[in-house]
Amino acid sequence: DAGITQSPRHKVTETGTPVTLRCHQTENHRYMYWYRQDPGHGLRLIHYSYGVKDTDKGEVSDGYSVSRSKTEDFLLTLESATSSQTSVYFCAINFAPDNEQFFGPGTRLTVL
Amino acid sequence: GEDVEQSLFLSVREGDSSVINCTYTDSSSTYLYWYKQEPGAGLQLLTYIFSNMDMKQDQRLTVLLNKKDKHLSLRIADTQTGDSAIYFCAERMDSSYKLIFGSGTRLLVRP
Repeated sequence: DAGITQSPRHKVTETGTPVTLRCHQTENHRYMYWYRQDPGHGLRLIHYSYGVKDTDKGEVSDGYSVSRSKTEDFLLTLESATSSQTSVYFCAINFAPDNEQFFGPGTRLTVL
Repeated sequence: GEDVEQSLFLSVREGDSSVINCTYTDSSSTYLYWYKQEPGAGLQLLTYIFSNMDMKQDQRLTVLLNKKDKHLSLRIADTQTGDSAIYFCAERMDSSYKLIFGSGTRLLVRP
């Protein structure tokens, strides 16, 4: 257990509604990441953070925003959810200096 | 460019060795990882290897790295039914420690 929790674990929402997913860590790791997992694509990076208020885009960032106002929480927001954002979302943290990246349990999001 | 490729499926008999292969394209990658994902679960870090190593062994797992060919493999000795899962390789991009994943290899272990 790397001390990573995600909430909610499951969510069903309708197209056009805003959705916020939360990733919480219990240790002061600097780097945090949001990935999405879709069949045939493995995991793809959405956004990442390298400190409080420091974030950057990944390869599939369109339609998503993030915020990190404190070290332990990294929020992913879908401003207006679309069916193409139906996916499983994983949060990860990087354990320096051992360079291990650990993942949370995932959030299954369904957009109808 | 950044691209990691894996074969989609591997089937082995229980007790045999499994070898899962991966190729990557970014020669600047310094760390390469193997993750395991069981159905409905998250990703479990199995092992990783630093790019200046050729081999790393951890109990039943052996990782081989061929930097010249940009080829990574994971060998599981004495494969058990509990090893049935999807295995992902990933390369680390040093500028941000972000990982680029392959699409995963589904390992099926037959009794």
